[in-house]
Amino acid sequence: EDQVTQSPEALRLQEGESSSLNCSYTVSGLRGLFWYRQDPGKGPEFLFTLYSAGEEKEKERLKATLTKKESFLHITAPKPEDSATYLCAVQAGRSEKLVFGKGTKLTVNP
Amino acid sequence: DSGVTQTPKHLITATGQRVTLRCSPRSGDLSVYWYQQSLDQGLQFLIHYYNGEERAKGNILERFSAQQFPDLHSELNLSSLELGDSALYFCASSVRAGYTEAFFGQGTRLTVV
Repeated sequence: EDQVTQSPEALRLQEGESSSLNCSYTVSGLRGLFWYRQDPGKGPEFLFTLYSAGEEKEKERLKATLTKKESFLHITAPKPEDSATYLCAVQAGRSEKLVFGKGTKLTVNP
Repeated sequence: DSGVTQTPKHLITATGQRVTLRCSPRSGDLSVYWYQQSLDQGLQFLIHYYNGEERAKGNILERFSAQQFPDLHSELNLSSLELGDSALYFCASSVRAGYTEAFFGQGTRLTVV
């Protein structure tokens, strides 16, 4: 069964303190790995899709990387507005669904 | 704004009742996905429709059903509601089946009392 594990569950950073979130996955035939941001009471907001090991994508202070077993979301010099829950999801094989991890709740203090 | 519209935003109902949640996908998107998000389970896939046809089912209970209409909006029907059905229900839409980036709506928060 496809599994996605995110760590840590929660992370507190000071503004400007860079860090990384981890998403490890066990799937049969990865088709895509997705990162979303979710604010409280709102729907997930698409950030990145990664398709193959070695791929990297960047958007503002965020950079996502992918290996054969895990993905990292690097946050450089975060700001308080980056506070949110970050969700990782995979699509695998011939499945039509995304399998989500439980997320990392990021809090950035000013 | 993702362009995906869900109504209502909040719904409070009693056990045993039946409710309908509505989703209007982004203009041009043919695929609609329904997900349930609860505190302990995270986001769980329920069902996928593409251009009016059911494409895949996930962990959807027999008490739940869905459909996609010719104008591509979709409805999720939940019946014989139980306390454990309380959750956020999201729909997402994408351009085509075989999955691309999905854009999620703001969700419907269902509370069963």
